[in-house]
Amino acid sequence: NAGVMQNPRHLVRRRGQEARLRCSPMKGHSHVYWYRQLPEEGLKFMVYLQKENIIDESGMPKERFSAEFPKEGPSILRIQQVVRGDSAAYFCASSGTQSDYEQYFGPGTRLTVT
Amino acid sequence: DAKTTQPTSMDCAEGRAANLPCNHSTISGNEYVYWYRQIHSQGPQYIIHGLKNNETNEMASLIITEDRKSSTLILPHATLRDTAVYYCIVRALAGGTSYGKLTFGQGTILTVHP
Repeated sequence: NAGVMQNPRHLVRRRGQEARLRCSPMKGHSHVYWYRQLPEEGLKFMVYLQKENIIDESGMPKERFSAEFPKEGPSILRIQQVVRGDSAAYFCASSGTQSDYEQYFGPGTRLTVT
Repeated sequence: DAKTTQPTSMDCAEGRAANLPCNHSTISGNEYVYWYRQIHSQGPQYIIHGLKNNETNEMASLIITEDRKSSTLILPHATLRDTAVYYCIVRALAGGTSYGKLTFGQGTILTVHP
């Protein structure tokens, strides 16, 4: 059973470009969470999605960031007009249900904005 | 914000038990205590969780005080590969503001040395 997949693992973007980060949850999981880890900081929750629905986006920046989890395909975290402060590791996690004990994390995408 | 307090760092000799404390004095009745760890910028890894009884699995033991205001994660025979940041998290499985997402604090940097 493959684990949570994230791609790309490393992404370099110039200021003003768009970044698209993909997350494929574990097989059978329909709940996805995105977290961000800024350099030398802890992990911060961004958004929680279930298939076709955003359940909790309390951690998402108000502008430039969006997330989706369509009925088919991976979850996408999209960052428009990236700035240097967006450079971070972005992790996604999945669970089978909201109340599952364990969230399984992917390896992360390292975004570098130049 | 995180509702837990952990020491910033701890050291442990290889082969000895590592005891990592956590204070969660404002924990609610429906909140569980979770432990995750992050090894060198990899995705976080679930270790163990508990509500009020002591728990043990193949990785660790969790001791929760009777008043549930603090807990201790025990790695019985630490190895060099256990060097990581350990996060203590409180999370509800149903209802409440901590439902669903994981709120990470700064964690404890555990260094296991030969």
